[in-house]
Order: sequence, then C-alpha cells, then structure tokens
Amino acid sequence: DIQMTQSPSVLSASVGDRVTLNCKASQNINKYLNWYQQKLGEAPKLLIYNTNNLQTGIPSRFSGSGSGTDFTLTISSLQPEDFATYFCFQHNSWPYTFGAGTKLELK
Amino acid sequence: EVQLVESGGGLVQPGRSLKLSCAASGFTFSNYGMAWVRQTPTKGLEWVASISTGGGNTYYRDSVKGRFTISRDNAKNTQYLQMDSLRSEDTATYYCARRYDFDYWGQGVMVTVSS
Repeated sequence: DIQMTQSPSVLSASVGDRVTLNCKASQNINKYLNWYQQKLGEAPKLLIYNTNNLQTGIPSRFSGSGSGTDFTLTISSLQPEDFATYFCFQHNSWPYTFGAGTKLELK
Repeated sequence: EVQLVESGGGLVQPGRSLKLSCAASGFTFSNYGMAWVRQTPTKGLEWVASISTGGGNTYYRDSVKGRFTISRDNAKNTQYLQMDSLRSEDTATYYCARRYDFDYWGQGVMVTVSS
C-alpha cells in the first residue's frame, strides 16, 4: 500500500497568514493527489483534485502543487473559516490511501 | 445540488450483518462510479470499496474482502454496502462518496460493532 505522510501534524497560524501543508507519498503517484478539508462533525470536502485543480466553488486562495511523491497545499491568506483539518489522498493505485491529516489551528 | 444521504447504520453485535444505503440526487447517478469511505479517530480515513457506473466492476480493501459487498441500483439512484461477519474494527463512521476520487460526500452514518 502507498503510505501518505503529512506534515506538520499541527500548524498554528493567524488570520491573514500564508501557510503551506505538505504531503509525501511512499512511491510515485503521478498527479493523482487530492486535498480535502474537514471541520468537526462534518464530512470531508474536496478542495483540490489531481494536484492543482481547484474544485468548483472553492476560493482561489487555495492552491496545490507537486508531482511524483511530494505535494503541497497552500492557503494564500488564511480566513477564519479555514481553521480545520486537511487530508491528502492518493488515487493512483489501489488501495487508495489518505494521509493522517494536518490540523490547522488558530495561534 | 449534489446530495448523498446515507442510512442503515446502528449498533450490531460482532459476527452479525448490516446493510448501508446511500440515496443520491442532483446528478445523473448512472454516470458516476461510487464508493464507501470510513473514518475512525484511531485509523483515520480509509477507502472501503468502489463500484463502477454499471456495477460490473467492484473493488475492496483487503480487510473487508469476502465480508462486504458493494452494489448499486441505478433505477433507484441508490448504492449499498452489505456488511457481513462484522468485527469490532469495522466500527466507524461510513461515508458514501461520488466518483473514484470522492468529489462529493454524504453526511456519514455511524456503525458500532459491539456485544
């Protein structure tokens, strides 16, 4: 199985900050990497698909980059509603696997 | 608006069965592959099973192979997860998701396997 490692596990930041979340795959997953946001008590919500494609309705302050094994999610200017947990997910090879998440908390 | 609504969760004893349903609306159900994903505080998010548009192709994670069966009824815009021989480690919130890469999710349904 492909292991997805996210870092950091917790990130403290302030409104207006630019933040970068990292995700590393244990083997090449090409471009097949998605990012999800999950708030407490809610289902995950797709933000970015196939590394750098913004899902419909998601604000442009979210962006993704990377290829192969190393990927990043960047939030250009944090808004109050962005404090949540973020998961990366690979759909290159079965079984599809998720990272353990990065919790973005208010500093 | 895409909507996925799960039902059928609950408390069940180890070794027993449970069947989850996911009612879809707001899109042409028969055009999309579907999936089930589960989440626990300890193991996080886990893909469970996926099914192709017509139902002819199904995929399972190893730990549920032979015990769980994913299916769909395109006439009813509904997918299912039949869970047999349930174990305590199957305890989780189960989500219905659209597409192989989960672009939309349901609100989730809790399954607790305990005696």
